[in-house]
Amino acid sequence: SAVISQKPSRDICQRGTSLTIQCQVDSQVTMMFWYRQQPGQSLTLIATANQGSEATYESGFVIDKFPISRPNLTFSTLTVSNMSPEDSSIYLCSGQKTGNTGELFFGEGSRLTVL
Amino acid sequence: SQELEQSPQSLIVQEGKNLTINCTSSKTLYGLYWYKQKYGEGLIFLMMLQKGGEEKSHEKITAKLDEKKQQSSLHITASQPSHAGIYLCGAVRPGTYKYIFGTGTRLKVLA
Repeated sequence: SAVISQKPSRDICQRGTSLTIQCQVDSQVTMMFWYRQQPGQSLTLIATANQGSEATYESGFVIDKFPISRPNLTFSTLTVSNMSPEDSSIYLCSGQKTGNTGELFFGEGSRLTVL
Repeated sequence: SQELEQSPQSLIVQEGKNLTINCTSSKTLYGLYWYKQKYGEGLIFLMMLQKGGEEKSHEKITAKLDEKKQQSSLHITASQPSHAGIYLCGAVRPGTYKYIFGTGTRLKVLA
């Protein structure tokens, strides 16, 4: 198994500012993903965080808005840039140890409110 | 349209009642995962189904995957307030390594 820690757990931000969310895994994981969960909704995949290279973004998400880093196999960051109230969501980091049949482990999420 | 559709979208049951949640894909899946999310928290892994026709149980929760690996059901027997939360099915998007989730089912159990 893997334990994933995210911080901050929650934050209230002003419009136009940027916030970086950190994700730390207690062991090496092959894949790391970032999801967004808007109020009352399911999880939407933002991007796959690739170790040592640029993240792979899903349709509707771009690097300028959501820059992602993954310097090693246990750590990743997601930045939400130039925030607007529409960015108010829970952002979840997840990791997977084995191939595409493996369980996905989740952090507790970071709840962002943009005023 | 959603790649994984869940039904119902929400469910309110009396404690002690049985219930079923469904998850449907238009494509054959490598495997199907069920998660539970308590309101405002991260996801808790429940179980994984990989083989067509497979069925697994954990405590009062049973999940099944159909032979075509396109539909799964999650059944809760004698529901309790502790079962309340959001249930999500997940799968690796066919042809990729990317993990996607169903639309979610919000369950409330009345004591």
